[in-house]
Amino acid sequence: AQSVSQHNHHVILSEAASLELGCNYSYGGTVNLFWYVQYPGQHLQLLLKYFSGDPLVKGIKGFEAEFIKSKFSFNLRKPSVQWSDTAEYFCAVTPTGAAGNKLTFGGGTRVLVKP
Amino acid sequence: GAVVSQHPSRVICKSGTSVKIECRSLDFQATTMFWYRQFPKKSLMLMATSNEGSKATYEQGVEKDKFLINHASLTLSTLTVTSAHPEDSSFYICSARDPITSVGYTFGSGTRLTVV
Repeated sequence: AQSVSQHNHHVILSEAASLELGCNYSYGGTVNLFWYVQYPGQHLQLLLKYFSGDPLVKGIKGFEAEFIKSKFSFNLRKPSVQWSDTAEYFCAVTPTGAAGNKLTFGGGTRVLVKP
Repeated sequence: GAVVSQHPSRVICKSGTSVKIECRSLDFQATTMFWYRQFPKKSLMLMATSNEGSKATYEQGVEKDKFLINHASLTLSTLTVTSAHPEDSSFYICSARDPITSVGYTFGSGTRLTVV
């Protein structure tokens, strides 16, 4: 079974600072990878996803993530955060192919951006 | 894009009563839906996979008699929390496979259940 680990539980930073959230997964086969964001009081929204091809994926709101297969990592980055990026961020993975139904989430990283 | 509608968004019930949560796929058919539970300041835990026309598949440790799932049509899955207790208070979220990509997922807005 797959598992996902997010290294940071809480991150506090100032506006305009750069953000990088770590995500590592464990699975023996190929995977699809996702980053979701949950703003306070709102539901999960997809930031970006990786299925195949270019390992550098660009998502919404200036976010990007890089899939490094050798490191089983899919870290999320944003060069310059805004106060509105305050939210909880979840990395998720699902195996590709017919067995790829189950989406497994990491523990989440709560990001607080100070104005 | 594909939308999953979840209802109600909030519900308060008394201990011992049952609560039904609905999850509807709008403008697309979902043969499979997923039910998650999110504890405060915790991640989402998959509870069960809801399969249209057949029994749900529950994750280890989830009581199937406690959390009844029915997926009677291609656009509706329901989760019924039976004989609710305060420890069942949580945020419940449903999702479906994204019909456009067929690999991604779309999530409902969640249901905050409070059992008093």
